[in-house]
Amino acid sequence: DIQMTQSPSTLSASVGDRVTITCRAGQSINRWLAWYQQKPGNAPKLLIYKASSLGNGVPSRFSGDGSGTEFTLTISSLQPDDFATYYCQQYNTYSGTFGQGTKVEIK
Amino acid sequence: QVQLQESGPGLVKPSETLSLTCTVSGYSISSGYHWGWIRQPPGKGLEWIGSIYYGRSTYYNPSLKSRVTMSVDTSKNQFSLKLNSVTAADTAVYYCATTGSVPDTAIIGDYWGQGTLVTVSS
Repeated sequence: DIQMTQSPSTLSASVGDRVTITCRAGQSINRWLAWYQQKPGNAPKLLIYKASSLGNGVPSRFSGDGSGTEFTLTISSLQPDDFATYYCQQYNTYSGTFGQGTKVEIK
Repeated sequence: QVQLQESGPGLVKPSETLSLTCTVSGYSISSGYHWGWIRQPPGKGLEWIGSIYYGRSTYYNPSLKSRVTMSVDTSKNQFSLKLNSVTAADTAVYYCATTGSVPDTAIIGDYWGQGTLVTVSS
């Protein structure tokens, strides 16, 4: 099973900040990585797939990068609607393992 | 716009079978896409359970494969999940989802249902 490790677990930031979340895979997953945003009580929302492709209707302030075992999700200018928990997911294998999540909090 | 809605019992006894159905609107299951189930224990992270391609190929998480069965009913535009021999560890919010038009994958959720809480308890 491929382990996915996100850092940090919690991130405190202010509106307008540039924010970067890292996701590391236990083995190479090429670029088969997705990022989701989840708010309390809601289903996750797909932000990024194939490491850097933007999902439908996702604002351009979100971007993804990486390949192999190390990936990043960057929010260029944090907006009030962006305070949420973010998950990475590998889809190189059918286990579809998720990271443990990164909570972005208001500073 | 594809919409999904989970339904099924909110309480299941240990050792019994958890059965959930996802009703799809706005898109015909038989037209394509992959259809999947994901779960999230209260206060915890996400786990992909498996996916199905309109009644043909299935893709199960190896960690759950021995207990999972997924199926599609194209006449009702629904797909279903059965998880047998449940324990308290299977208590979670269960989501159905679809890959939508995301290419090259069976296990991504582009459109999601709202989720349904299933509690395993006697």
